[in-house]
Amino acid sequence: GAVVSQHPSWVICKSGTSVKIECRSLDFQATTMFWYRQFPKQSLMLMATSNEGSKATYEQGVEKDKFLINHASLTLSTLTVTSAHPEDSSFYICSARDAVTGGLYEQFFGPGTRLTVL
Amino acid sequence: DQQVKQNSPSLSVQEGRISILNCDYTNSMFDYFLWYKKYPAEGPTFLISISSIKDKNEDGRFTVFLNKSAKHLSLHIVPSQPGDSAVYFCAASVGAGNMLTFGGGTRLMVKP
Repeated sequence: GAVVSQHPSWVICKSGTSVKIECRSLDFQATTMFWYRQFPKQSLMLMATSNEGSKATYEQGVEKDKFLINHASLTLSTLTVTSAHPEDSSFYICSARDAVTGGLYEQFFGPGTRLTVL
Repeated sequence: DQQVKQNSPSLSVQEGRISILNCDYTNSMFDYFLWYKKYPAEGPTFLISISSIKDKNEDGRFTVFLNKSAKHLSLHIVPSQPGDSAVYFCAASVGAGNMLTFGGGTRLMVKP
């Protein structure tokens, strides 16, 4: 099946620093990737939709200048949390959609990245 | 406004019995529905999906039922196994492959 990886799986940083999270589709091309955030004991909330070669579309309430998304290739999207603060501590999960025509439409999720901001 | 709701935060079932997880939605534009299984600190794992043109889809022990008039879907797991213990999320989208709106999740515990 389709595999999506995320790196790092766990990161601790100081308040005010920036953190980059990578999301890669390992065995398929993904024109579209999605970034979700999950707070403890809550559901996944979509942050933004990332399309290869174009600007990301952010959901209402998500600061695009704080959560920078780059989708430079068909297999890689990055999320950079700029000037991180403790309230940004969360579990960030990406997903990717297989771009093959007539293929699967399900989104395949990465394993997630646990961000802790001190 | 929660467009996808899972009203049961938890469910406990005996091994071998049927597990029924329920999900309701309010957005009539949703036409593609999915169920995911999730363990703590891991990404969701896709289980099964259903398009709005169908009312049932089956894959092994997993069956999803869709009642469009009631805006309700359910996931049946038969027989339930201890390894099925996890949090289950239903999700919906407008168009297959588009952004997902998730329900709040139901924690399933299958007792040996």
